[in-house]
Amino acid sequence: EAGVTQSPTHLIKTRGQQATLRCSPISGHTSVYWYQQALGLGLQFLLWYDEGEERNRGNFPPRFSGRQFPNYSSELNVNALELEDSALYLCASSPGTATYTDTQYFGPGTRLTVL
Amino acid sequence: QKEVEQDPGPLSVPEGAIVSLNCTYSNSAFQYFMWYRQYSRKGPELLMYTYSSGNKEDGRFTAQVDKSSKYISLFIRDSQPSDSATYLCAMSGTGGTSYGKLTFGQGTILTVHP
Repeated sequence: EAGVTQSPTHLIKTRGQQATLRCSPISGHTSVYWYQQALGLGLQFLLWYDEGEERNRGNFPPRFSGRQFPNYSSELNVNALELEDSALYLCASSPGTATYTDTQYFGPGTRLTVL
Repeated sequence: QKEVEQDPGPLSVPEGAIVSLNCTYSNSAFQYFMWYRQYSRKGPELLMYTYSSGNKEDGRFTAQVDKSSKYISLFIRDSQPSDSATYLCAMSGTGGTSYGKLTFGQGTILTVHP
């Protein structure tokens, strides 16, 4: 069974540009989560999508946004990039909101570098 | 104060040693506790998932949860060089802003020497 996949592996942008990161969940999973792992800050929750709806959002500015498509894949958009947005962006998926016990399975991440 | 505190280490042990990794937390709403392993430049891999206080064993790994003390542990027996990685504790609760969100510790860097 294929795991969570993310693209691209690496992304280099300049300050002020926009970045788009993509994620495909494990087959059968309807929930997708986005996390940021910045040096020295640990893994921080960004967004949670389920059945095409945003269910929860972490303490990040509105320039971090995303969406979930009908096939449950997801896209994270970061507008007006700042140097401190440089980080590993991780996507995770889980079976859905049927129970509170859903475990999250992570992809390999997209490393975003802002110059 | 962070919701989840984890000693970042680094921790260096000889092969075959028993490793103890720990996290403390402050949010009483946390009910689900996980340990992830992350190799360099990879995504976190789920190792253990527990709910409620007590022990859970899986092979060489044992997870302990003590809700009364807000303290969780991961023990690795007969540690191997392949166990060298960063270990992250994570927690989640139900309802409100905790719903669906994992809150992570800073991670402990473990090196097992042959």
